Amino acid sequence: ETGVTQTPRHLVMGMTNKKSLKCEQHLGHNAMYWYKQSAKKPLELMFVYNFKEQTENNSVPSRFSPECPNSSHLFLHLHTLQPEDSALYLCASSPTGHRSGNTIYFGEGSWLTVV
Amino acid sequence: AQTVTQSQPEMSVQEAETVTLSCTYDTSESDYYLFWYKQPPSRQMILVIRQEAYKQQNATENRFSVNFQKAAKSFSLKISDSQLGDAAMYFCAYNGNKLVFGAGTILRVKS
Repeated sequence: ETGVTQTPRHLVMGMTNKKSLKCEQHLGHNAMYWYKQSAKKPLELMFVYNFKEQTENNSVPSRFSPECPNSSHLFLHLHTLQPEDSALYLCASSPTGHRSGNTIYFGEGSWLTVV
Repeated sequence: AQTVTQSQPEMSVQEAETVTLSCTYDTSESDYYLFWYKQPPSRQMILVIRQEAYKQQNATENRFSVNFQKAAKSFSLKISDSQLGDAAMYFCAYNGNKLVFGAGTILRVKS
């Protein structure tokens, strides 16, 4: 059982669809993250939220829109995606921002396929 | 910019044997943290071990230990008495001003 839960685990969507990935953490953490993991590429940090405020956006295209309504929930809204966006999207959390050396706890990921 | 290099894309080890996964990093910072994460087929990244750069003593967690050489910027992971459940992708990560992951090493365990 994980303290970070992601839904859905698998998602297939067309390029014109709008869908969302959801992440919930039960660890009492204040920082949450979205990572993208593609085949043959290092893990890419997409967004960081600390106390509900976005603190990092690593030049992510606007077709990915994050939302953090509170410290326990994080969403990634997806619209007009491209096939190259197909990847495993990992949500993570930590007590505070990662610059403090906190251990980051990951969810099991959401497999996204864009057709 | 900080970089993390894992030079071994894939490693194999016989069950009950010992294997060492290598990791080097590049940074100009003096205060940072280093991690090894394991990603099994379930895809959930799990923390294996954590090292604080200001501590000279190498971190140890049961069968997992590190060889931290700060001057050489090297942070290798040693797995003793390898088990089938150790088979996974292992990521080295540097955490200073930014959190940076290496490309990963696939570890296969043979029975």
